[in-house]
Amino acid sequence: EIVLTQSPGTLSLSPGKRATLSCRASQSVSSSYLAWYQQKPGQAPRLLIYGASSRATGIPDRFSGSGSGTDFTLTISRLEPEDFAVYYCQQYGSSPFTFGGGTKVEIK
Amino acid sequence: QVQLVESGGGLVKPGGSLRLSCAASGFTFSDYYMTWIRQAPGKGLEWVSYISSSGSTMYYPDSVKGRFTISRDNARNSLFLQMNSLRADDTAVYYCTGPVSTGYWGQGTLVTVSS
Repeated sequence: EIVLTQSPGTLSLSPGKRATLSCRASQSVSSSYLAWYQQKPGQAPRLLIYGASSRATGIPDRFSGSGSGTDFTLTISRLEPEDFAVYYCQQYGSSPFTFGGGTKVEIK
Repeated sequence: QVQLVESGGGLVKPGGSLRLSCAASGFTFSDYYMTWIRQAPGKGLEWVSYISSSGSTMYYPDSVKGRFTISRDNARNSLFLQMNSLRADDTAVYYCTGPVSTGYWGQGTLVTVSS
């Protein structure tokens, strides 16, 4: 089983700042099958990035994904008020399709 | 537009069974693999099952293997999750989802396992 470790657990930043979220895998994620989701309280998760770096439909270009193998990054170039939420990474290259524990981005 | 609507959640006693359903619309259901993902109250996301587009291949994590069964009816655009021998730690919101790259998620149905 591939274990995904997200860091930091909580990121405290002001609007307008750059956010960098990390997702590290215990073994290589095949074909970069790595996704990022955003979740707000009471809502289902929303897909941001798939295939490590492809933005999902309708996702603003301030969100970008990068990485391969075991190290992946989600970058939010300039935080907007609506970006404060919890972010999860998921690998879907090999079963079980595991999730990271999440990073909460909160307003500083 | 794409819709995934889950139903069948509720309160069940430990050791009991429940069958979740997911009605899909707005896309060619039979073309896509489908999954169930759950989220315990205040916790993170956990993938709980996968089924291929034809229904011939299924995967489960160890936490539910032997207790949960995923199935589908492509003629009725429906996905199912049969859950047996339920435990308190199965309490969660259960989401029906399409392939990762589509971003298709339902709004979830709450399953509570408690005596």
